[in-house]
Order: sequence, then C-alpha cells, then structure tokens
Amino acid sequence: AQSVTQLDSQVPVFEEAPVELRCNYSSSVSVYLFWYVQYPNQGLQLLLKYLSGSTLVKGINGFEAEFNKSQTSFHLRKPSVHISDTAEYFCAVSDASGTYKYIFGTGTRLKVLA
Amino acid sequence: DGGITQSPKYLFRKEGQNVTLSCEQNLNHDAMYWYRQDPGQGLRLIYYSQIVNDFQKGDIAEGYSVSREKKESFPLTVTSAQKNPTAFYLCASSIIGGVMETQYFGPGTRLLVL
Repeated sequence: AQSVTQLDSQVPVFEEAPVELRCNYSSSVSVYLFWYVQYPNQGLQLLLKYLSGSTLVKGINGFEAEFNKSQTSFHLRKPSVHISDTAEYFCAVSDASGTYKYIFGTGTRLKVLA
Repeated sequence: DGGITQSPKYLFRKEGQNVTLSCEQNLNHDAMYWYRQDPGQGLRLIYYSQIVNDFQKGDIAEGYSVSREKKESFPLTVTSAQKNPTAFYLCASSIIGGVMETQYFGPGTRLLVL
C-alpha cells in the first residue's frame, strides 16, 4: 500500500520569493506521482506529473518538481511566486501496477503575501 | 468544450434523507471516481468505476451508493446511513490505458446538513 505525507499544512511566503512544498511518499512498488492545485470552492487542476524518464518535471504556471527515488520525495518548487498562486496544493501517488487509484496527501495551503 | 460537470453546486440534506449528487463527463473516459474532501484530511476515495455496470468500493464507502449505467454518468447517493455527510464532494474521470492516466476533476458539490 502507498501513503503520502505533506509535512507542511501551511506555507506563507512573500510575493516574488521562491517556494518549496514538500511531499514524501511510501511504497513498496514503482509509483506515479502528481501535484494538483485547488482554488477555493473549486475542483483540482493538474500542475504536473511524473510517470517515468527525467526526474525533473516541469508543469504549468512556472512550477516544477523533482522525483527523488532514494529519498522517496517529490517536492514542488517555484522560483518566484505571485499573489495568484495562493491556493491549496495536493500531492498524490499511484502504484504502477494499473489499479488507477490515487492516494492523496492532506494538502499544503500556500499563502502569498504582498 | 469537453469536461466534467457536477450538480448541484450546493446541496442541503435533512436528517434521514437520501440525496443524489450528479456527475457527468463528455471526455469519453472509461473510469470515474468519487472523492470526499474534509478540511485537513485531503481527498478520500468513496467509489470508483472502470467500466459500465461495474464499480468498486474505495476507502470510505459506508453510507454511500453509486451506479454506472452509462459511460458518461456516475451519480453518488448519500444515504441516511452516512451520519456525517457534510463535506465537499469531487468527481473525477480518466481513460484507462497502458501508462497511468491523469485524473481530471469536476468543480465539486458542497453538501450541508440542515
């Protein structure tokens, strides 16, 4: 079985500063990894995903994430945040065996300050 | 435009009442999913379906029921047996293929108990 841990429930950061949102996972098999963003009272929108290949994944809105198998991590980064990035971010993992089920982390609320 | 629609946006339930949440997709996706979102708990899987007329329980299926009579529709019924139904409910869909496919989410339905 897989599990996902998002260590930070809230991350405040000033506008134009860099940010890293942490995600660690646990799995005994190969995994696929995802980051989603959720704005208030809306559904989830995919930011980026790692399926295979290059461990550095680039997504929408200037976000990127790096898959680190040895540290079982998939941290999300952005070099310079904007007020509009204020939202909740979810990390998700799925095993590569074809169950098509996701396990989600508890989310990190990013608040960008002016 | 292709996408996932959920209705209603807000739903009120009285004690002892069953209510049904609608989820429709025109993406021609094979699989559909229902999640429940509570503050600080991330998303938890209620039910999922990979093919018409078949569905499986997720992690928190008790007090819920579903049907999948058409590929594009996956309604969720919250029964009176669900004692704590107040939450944000999200529907998602994906294709099923060789490589893990991304789940796309609808805008959600917020269920409140009167």
